[in-house]
Amino acid sequence: EPEVTQTPSHQVTQMGQEVILRCVPISNHLYFYWYRQILGQKVEFLVSFYNNEISEKSEIFDDQFSVERPDGSNFTLKIRSTKLEDSAMYFCASSLRLDTYNEQFFGPGTRLTVL
Amino acid sequence: RKEVEQDPGPFNVPEGATVAFNCTYSNSASQSFFWYRQDCRKEPKLLMSVYSSGNEDGRFTAQLNRASQYISLLIRDSKLSDSATYLCVSRGGAQKLVFGQGTRLTINP
Repeated sequence: EPEVTQTPSHQVTQMGQEVILRCVPISNHLYFYWYRQILGQKVEFLVSFYNNEISEKSEIFDDQFSVERPDGSNFTLKIRSTKLEDSAMYFCASSLRLDTYNEQFFGPGTRLTVL
Repeated sequence: RKEVEQDPGPFNVPEGATVAFNCTYSNSASQSFFWYRQDCRKEPKLLMSVYSSGNEDGRFTAQLNRASQYISLLIRDSKLSDSATYLCVSRGGAQKLVFGQGTRLTINP
């Protein structure tokens, strides 16, 4: 069964450093998303991406964040200058369509620890 | 007010029991609703969509009451493998999913 994959599974970085989290969505999917989950808290939407541009973003997704689809398979989330409060699990998701009940498939996540 | 609100639990029930979770949502414009399951430190996985007419999938039954902005999930004949956190989710804007905090369920042998 096709699945979303994410690398690395765990990233440790120093405050102020840049990190790039990588995702490979399901191959025929057209819509891509990033969510994050701070430990013990709910899953929060960050951004959605379609046709090589951001289609929706949350208040969390400020200028420190950017997304890119550099080739036909990868989808990346960059955090320019990490803060302690960026420590969280980051989930990538993808979906085939945009209709009401279309499922978003989640990757296994990257655990980001900012020291 | 939280967009999607759930009782965080934890719920501890014996194997074979029936357990019900409830959830309320504040955005009356939300179009679609889902129950996801999340195991410890894993990704959310879709359990079932929630349709206006109510729907059933094996031991799981979901109901939606748009007038009361209320969603429920019923699990019958619970199994040890049902132990997880159950996430109530609405589709907010065109694409984003809005998650509740989750209800933690432990099934005891």
